[in-house]
Amino acid sequence: NAGVTQTPKFRVLKTGQSMTLLCAQDMNHEYMYWYRQDPGMGLRLIHYSVGEGTTAKGEVPDGYNVSRLKKQNFLLGLESAAPSQTSVYFCASSRSYYEKLFFGSGTQLSVL
Amino acid sequence: AQTVTQSQPEMSVQEAETVTLSCTYDTSESDYYLFWYKQPPSRQMILVIRQEAYKQQNATENRFSVNFQKAAKSFSLKISDSQLGDAAMYFCAYRSAGGQGAQKLVFGQGTRLTINP
Repeated sequence: NAGVTQTPKFRVLKTGQSMTLLCAQDMNHEYMYWYRQDPGMGLRLIHYSVGEGTTAKGEVPDGYNVSRLKKQNFLLGLESAAPSQTSVYFCASSRSYYEKLFFGSGTQLSVL
Repeated sequence: AQTVTQSQPEMSVQEAETVTLSCTYDTSESDYYLFWYKQPPSRQMILVIRQEAYKQQNATENRFSVNFQKAAKSFSLKISDSQLGDAAMYFCAYRSAGGQGAQKLVFGQGTRLTINP
């Protein structure tokens, strides 16, 4: 009963470093999403995918890249981290566009 | 683009009392879905309730109910008999029923709810 699993749960980066956040779901969902959560701003969509091999930009895509090479995995990459990318990152998945989202437990990222 | 606004950053209520959280949204679409999500201190996002815009009847889930006013573009959440476990951040969210917008969930800024014992 894993659902949506995010790794890592916490990470501290220095400005300019790169990293990849991994999201894995075991529900055979088509749709997967990456959101970031900042105080007073709710959750904002970074990138999303509507199926294996597809990706699309969300509301705040700059500075991030994603890949969906396997249906169950959705990777979020930061090529050159900036302090403005300090945030909590959530991955989510759903079977279809009208069904509820299942969320991971989040990744707290700090960029110094 | 659709927007969701939660004008109450914080709310508090006495245990066992009723509280209503406000949400308004802006859209030109006639068919869509609205949601309330709860985020307790554990950070886990939990779906509380969902409303389809084409349904006039307000959704209800146990102590949670909504007041959906389509013409006013308002979607408030009422929590009856508040319990300590209801303390959390609550997010209102919107999703189109078709087209590219259907692929995305748009969130409001959130309302932090405190339950006073």
